Amino acid sequence: EAGVVQSPRYKIIEKKQPVAFWCNPISGHNTLYWYRQNLGQGPELLIRYENEEAVDDSQLPKDRFSAERLKGVDSTLKIQPAELGDSAVYLCASSPHLAGAEQFFGPGTRLTVL
Amino acid sequence: QKEVEQNSGPLSVPEGAIASLNCTYSDRVSQSFFWYRQYSGKSPELIMSIYSNGDKEDGRFTAQLNKASQYVSLLIRDSQPSDSATYLCAVNLGAQKLVFGQGTRLTINP
Repeated sequence: EAGVVQSPRYKIIEKKQPVAFWCNPISGHNTLYWYRQNLGQGPELLIRYENEEAVDDSQLPKDRFSAERLKGVDSTLKIQPAELGDSAVYLCASSPHLAGAEQFFGPGTRLTVL
Repeated sequence: QKEVEQNSGPLSVPEGAIASLNCTYSDRVSQSFFWYRQYSGKSPELIMSIYSNGDKEDGRFTAQLNKASQYVSLLIRDSQPSDSATYLCAVNLGAQKLVFGQGTRLTINP
C-alpha cells in the first residue's frame, strides 16, 4: 500500500514569493491534515479536512495561508506571500475516519524562505 | 501549561539498556495516545498506540498509560544504536485533534 505522497520535497524561495505544496493521502483515508514543524519542535496542526470539508482551520494563518481539497482526495497548501518565519517542514498526514485513528505522515516539504 | 509535555533531552542510554521516555498531558478526556519516532531529516513514523490504562507491548517497545496521573511513557528494551532518534508523544484531544509534544531526543551509545 502506498503511503502519503508529498511534493516537492524541498523548496527555496525569496520572501514575498508564493509557494504551494501538494499532498496525496493514503487511499481510502478520508481525513487529511497539514502540519508545520519547526526545528526542535513537534508538528503543529494547520488544518484538518474530512473529505473535502475543512473542519478545523483554527490554527491556519488565513491572511497568507490557504488550502483546498476539492475532490476529497489530494490537497494543496499555499502561502502567499511567504515570510522568513515560514521556513519550516510542512507535513501532510492522513487517517481513516475513525475516532482516535492513527495518523500516517508523508515525507514532508522542507521550505526555506530567504 | 502546554497540552502535551515531554523532556526535550537529550537522553543518552548505553546500548543494551532500557530507555524510558515520558510524557504528560493536560486534558483529562483524552482517549488515545501515540508514540512517533522521527529520525533526523525524516517525517514522524508511528511506532505505538495505546488507548486504555496499563501496558501495551510490541517487540522491544512497551507503552504505558496512566489516565489518572495523565501520564504516558515508552520503554525501549535492549536499546540499539538504530533507536537513536527523536520520540514524539501525541495525544488525541477529541475530534481527531492530535497534539504533539516537542519530542525527546534519544541517543543510544554503543
